[in-house]
Amino acid sequence: QKEVEQNSGPLSVPEGAIASLNCTYSDRGSQSFFWYRQYSGKSPELIMFIYSNGDKEDGRFTAQLNKASQYVSLLIRDSQPSDSATYLCAFARNTGGFKTIFGAGTRLFVKA
Amino acid sequence: DTEVTQTPKHLVMGMTNKKSLKCEQHMGHRAMYWYKQKAKKPPELMFVYSYEKLSINESVPSRFSPECPNSSLLNLHLHALQPEDSALYLCASSDVDSSYNSPLHFGNGTRLTVT
Repeated sequence: QKEVEQNSGPLSVPEGAIASLNCTYSDRGSQSFFWYRQYSGKSPELIMFIYSNGDKEDGRFTAQLNKASQYVSLLIRDSQPSDSATYLCAFARNTGGFKTIFGAGTRLFVKA
Repeated sequence: DTEVTQTPKHLVMGMTNKKSLKCEQHMGHRAMYWYKQKAKKPPELMFVYSYEKLSINESVPSRFSPECPNSSLLNLHLHALQPEDSALYLCASSDVDSSYNSPLHFGNGTRLTVT
């Protein structure tokens, strides 16, 4: 079983729609959860982080965490063509060091 | 603009060469990381330094040698690489917090090609 599972997509949504990205993880010791966005040829950039169960909103982005189900999601409201990128789910735990593990990423296309 | 600076942006090297990748951060972070990313794959952790000490080595081959001269600098020394080592090498930094793992701040990466 992979440590982080993501649907690789591509996920295609029309402009203005809600894009829903999902991720499951296997390590119940995971403490911190992140969503990064990566444009082609660029480095990952942080979109959201969440540490506690529930929802966390930041502008058009909402992260949802359910530790019992080992599930984290990212909702993007009013999707824009500029949101087209690969979205990487990541989790981290302290193992004598700070280890962040990435999922394979979901490619999102927002059609104008 | 990224606050984590990596040089060079591109590097082409032969299998017998010795080269170094450099990373500098001015965010006051005390943890620094090297990740390797192949095309259409996620970043893979290589090394973690915490308070300038190597805390994680993900069983990386010895032809990759990390160095952390001070809290702002991180180097990756390369020697006798193989063509399959061609990839984007990403440096990142983060705060150190005993309760939670802080987010990673990435540099723009070094695109390495081994010929």
